[in-house]
Parts: sequence; C-alpha cells; structure tokens
Amino acid sequence: DIVLTQSPATLSVTPGESVSLSCRASQGISTGIHWYQQKSNGSPRLLIKHASQSISGIPSRFSGSGSRTDFTLSISRVESEDLSVYYCQQSFSMPLTFGSGTKLEIK
Amino acid sequence: EVQLVESGGGLVQPGRSMKLTCGASGFTFSNYHMAWVRQAPTKGLEWVASISNGGDNTYYRDSVKGRFTISRDNAKSTLYLEMDSLRPEDTATYYCARHIVDYGYNYFDYWGQGVMVTVSS
Repeated sequence: DIVLTQSPATLSVTPGESVSLSCRASQGISTGIHWYQQKSNGSPRLLIKHASQSISGIPSRFSGSGSRTDFTLSISRVESEDLSVYYCQQSFSMPLTFGSGTKLEIK
Repeated sequence: EVQLVESGGGLVQPGRSMKLTCGASGFTFSNYHMAWVRQAPTKGLEWVASISNGGDNTYYRDSVKGRFTISRDNAKSTLYLEMDSLRPEDTATYYCARHIVDYGYNYFDYWGQGVMVTVSS
C-alpha cells in the first residue's frame, strides 16, 4: 500500500498568515493526490484534485502543487474559518489511502 | 444540490451483522461510482469499498474483504454496505461518498454526514 506522510501534525497560525502543508508519498504517484478539509464534527470536503486543480466553490486562497512524491497544500491569508484538519489522499493505486492529517490551529 | 444521507448505524455486538444505507439525490445516481469511507474515533480517514456506476464491479480494502458487501439499487438511488462478522476495530463513523474516476484518478467529491457504527459487547 502507498503510505502518505503528512507534516506537520499540527500547525498554529495567526489569521492573515500564509501556510504550507506537506504530504509525502512512499513511492512516485505522478499527480494522483487530492486534498480534503474536515472541520470539527463535520464531513470531509474536497479542496484540490490532481495535486493542483481547483474545485468549484472553494476559495482561491487554497492551492496545491507537487508531483511524484512531494506535494503541498498552500493556504494564503489564513482565516479563522480555516480551522480544520487537512488530509491528502492518493489515487495512484488501490487501496486508496489517506494521510494522517494536519490539524490547523488558529492562534 | 447533491445530497447523501446515511442511515442504519448503531451499537452491535462483535460477530454480528449490520446494514448501512445511503440515499442519494440531486444528481443522476446511475452515472456515478460510489464509495464508503470510514473514520475511527479520533483517527484519520480510511477507504472501505467502492462500486462502479452499474454495480458490476466492486472493490474492497483487504481488512473487510469477505466480510463486507457493497451494493446499489440505481432505481432507488440508494447505496448499501452490508457488514458481517463485525469486529471492534470496525467501530467508526461511516461516510457515503460520490466516487469520481477522472483520467484514471479516483477521488471523492461529495460526502454524506456520516453514520456511527459501534462494535462492542
């Protein structure tokens, strides 16, 4: 199975700052990474597909980059509503797997 | 508006069975693959099973293969997950999700609110 390692586990930021969340794959997966946001007691929401493609209805401050084994979710000008856990998911091979998540805390 | 509504969860003893249901609306159900994804308490997300739009093809993670069965009724726009021989480690919130297969990549673009399954004596 492809293992996804997300770092850091927790990130504390001040509103208005920009942040980068990392997702590293245990083998090359081209651009087969997708990002989700999960708010406390909520369901996951798709943020980015295919490593860097935007999703309709998602604020433009969310962007993705990377290929092969190293991927980044960037959030520019963090807002308090961005308090969530962020997961990456690979679709290069079955079983589909998720990273363990990065929890974004707002200072 | 796409809506996915799960039902059927609750408390069940180890070794027993339970069936989850997901009602879909707001899109043409028969055009899409569907999936179940679970999340154990305080843990991350784990893909469980998927089914093709026509129901011909099913896919499972190894730990549920032979115990869980995913199925669908396109006439009723409903997805099912039949879970047999349940184990304490199956305790989780189970999400129904619309499964997109896009240029060979698979992801989940809409999720239900989730239903809790607790396996305990």
